[in-house]
Amino acid sequence: NAGVTQTPKFRILKIGQSMTLQCTQDMNHNYMYWYRQDPGMGLKLIYYSVGAGITDKGEVPNGYNVSRSTTEDFPLRLELAAPSQTSVYFCASSYGGAGGLRKTQYFGPGTRLLVL
Amino acid sequence: DAKTTQPPSMDCAEGRAANLPCNHSTISGNEYVYWYRQIHSQGPQYIIHGLKNNETNEMASLIITEDRKSSTLILPHATLRDTAVYYCIVMVDTGRRALTFGSGTRLQVQP
Repeated sequence: NAGVTQTPKFRILKIGQSMTLQCTQDMNHNYMYWYRQDPGMGLKLIYYSVGAGITDKGEVPNGYNVSRSTTEDFPLRLELAAPSQTSVYFCASSYGGAGGLRKTQYFGPGTRLLVL
Repeated sequence: DAKTTQPPSMDCAEGRAANLPCNHSTISGNEYVYWYRQIHSQGPQYIIHGLKNNETNEMASLIITEDRKSSTLILPHATLRDTAVYYCIVMVDTGRRALTFGSGTRLQVQP
């Protein structure tokens, strides 16, 4: 299993540009998450999904959009990039079953985004 | 979420067991204990979790005291690649909220 993969690894955007951060998992997990992590700070949840066709906002959804058309893929869209969106973005997935498994999350390697 | 307290840093000799403590005296009955680590510039990595019983997997063992107010993560044979920040997280198991990482314990494995 490749686990959770993310592309691109690094990107520089100009203010106002848009882009899609890709996330794919091959573990047949139901739950998928997008987090951002600013330097020296903890994770902030942007969006999450409990299954194909179902998404919901996390703590910091403004400026982002997501879709979940398949179990495997959970892309994150930035429509009008702003300097405040400079961060490292992590995608994660979990089985979503009982027994503490929702918080048993497997993370991708991250996408480093710089908005200038 | 229950507050957790971890030592800011620890050293361990390569090949020896690393024992990382965590205090969570306000834990409630439906909260799990999770351990994650983050190696510099990488995504967080899940290690192990438990509710009441001790747990073991291929990476580590988790010892939870009978009153659940504290726990210990044990890496049985630490290697240089285990150098990372280790986070003890106590949360209910819901998909709606983010994992909340505190300041963690920075483990330095020495050759």
